[in-house]
Amino acid sequence: GQNIDQPTEMTATEGAIVQINCTYQTSGFNGLFWYQQHAGEAPTFLSYNVLDGLEEKGRFSSFLSRSKGYSYLLLKELQMKDSASYLCAANSGNTPLVFGKGTRLSVIA
Amino acid sequence: IAGITQAPTSQILAAGRRMTLRCTQDMRHNAMYWYRQDLGLGLRLIHYSNTAGTTGKGEVPDGYSVSRANTDDFPLTLASAVPSQTSVYFCASSDSTGPHNEQFFGPGTRLTVL
Repeated sequence: GQNIDQPTEMTATEGAIVQINCTYQTSGFNGLFWYQQHAGEAPTFLSYNVLDGLEEKGRFSSFLSRSKGYSYLLLKELQMKDSASYLCAANSGNTPLVFGKGTRLSVIA
Repeated sequence: IAGITQAPTSQILAAGRRMTLRCTQDMRHNAMYWYRQDLGLGLRLIHYSNTAGTTGKGEVPDGYSVSRANTDDFPLTLASAVPSQTSVYFCASSDSTGPHNEQFFGPGTRLTVL
């Protein structure tokens, strides 16, 4: 089977750095997606990691370790607008994405 | 149309009624998906289609049916709605189901079954 785990909720302070972890167990793993979803809106794409290591995209970075079945999303210089749910999703073989349940991030002043 | 659209935006439905949620994309994507999203349960795949003319079952297919007569449209039908089908429904599309195929999501349909 396939299993994706991520924390349910996190709180962080404006201007700080937060790391959202995701562990996965899938067969035929290809890569790991991160999506952002604001309340009442649709998920939107943030990043996709195929190779091990860190990929940086502005204030957001995503890391993957294929051997450990582990990924994290790093958000720097947090802003209030970063309050949202963050979904990790594993891409395996030619099957549809398997999503984690999402991590609800609250950014406080 | 730009991207992926869903209709209706929201709907209140009596239990036992039949309902079709519509989804249309203009990106010529081969693959399309239907998810439901419930608090604490995340996005769960209902049905998907790798290409026009084919469909497949996801994690929670019972009580739902889909068809894919052409590339652009992927309607989801609830034959006889039940209160447990109260949820937010998202349609999504991607170029294929292979590697690095980002899914694009529609705005969602909020369905309440009473």
